[in-house]
Amino acid sequence: SQQGEEDPQALSIQEGENATMNCSYKTSINNLQWYRQNSGRGLVHLILIRSNEREKHSGRLRVTLDTSKKSSSLLITASRAADTASYFCATDVHGNNRLAFGKGNQVVVIP
Amino acid sequence: NAGVTQTPKFRVLKTGQSMTLLCAQDMNHEYMYWYRQDPGMGLRLIHYSVGEGTTAKGEVPDGYNVSRLKKQNFLLGLESAAPSQTSVYFCATSNQGYTQYFGPGTRLTVL
Repeated sequence: SQQGEEDPQALSIQEGENATMNCSYKTSINNLQWYRQNSGRGLVHLILIRSNEREKHSGRLRVTLDTSKKSSSLLITASRAADTASYFCATDVHGNNRLAFGKGNQVVVIP
Repeated sequence: NAGVTQTPKFRVLKTGQSMTLLCAQDMNHEYMYWYRQDPGMGLRLIHYSVGEGTTAKGEVPDGYNVSRLKKQNFLLGLESAAPSQTSVYFCATSNQGYTQYFGPGTRLTVL
């Protein structure tokens, strides 16, 4: 069953602004991942945060994880037109080799 | 390296016809997955494999069969296609079940 659940937002922002999206999940996890999907393409892994980590950075991406609230956020700073995509969170389950994906957040960055 | 490839890219079937989707990887990954993506539904796991010769059911396995005779290939079969199977199908691979690498997708329409 789907575990990752993003806030059902469609964000439209100006280039240079920051974009924030959230994800909540229901059960204990080993890690949480964020993926990006450009229109008509496969998903691309962005970042993984482990359950014992609270924050992680990768370039212009910042991910936070709050296991007490079972939620995560993805921040894209100084957005670019190329960041226009759908963003999915995915969670694993302890002892499972599978991921559960959320429904995705569509982000449009206006040049 | 080609990474993860999927064949075909597009296909139109009539109800009741059968077909096989091929996923091939040159990453030497143990785990392989088949997902379907429908508007507003995110990605749903159909079947997966944790190694050559193994397969397991995912979230929505009905109407599909799979085989993993070779480590590098994972086949998804539709024995009798139905309009409800109109979707975009993605294959993914991973090593140790964490980060997944996706193919470009197959867009299937069942009339």
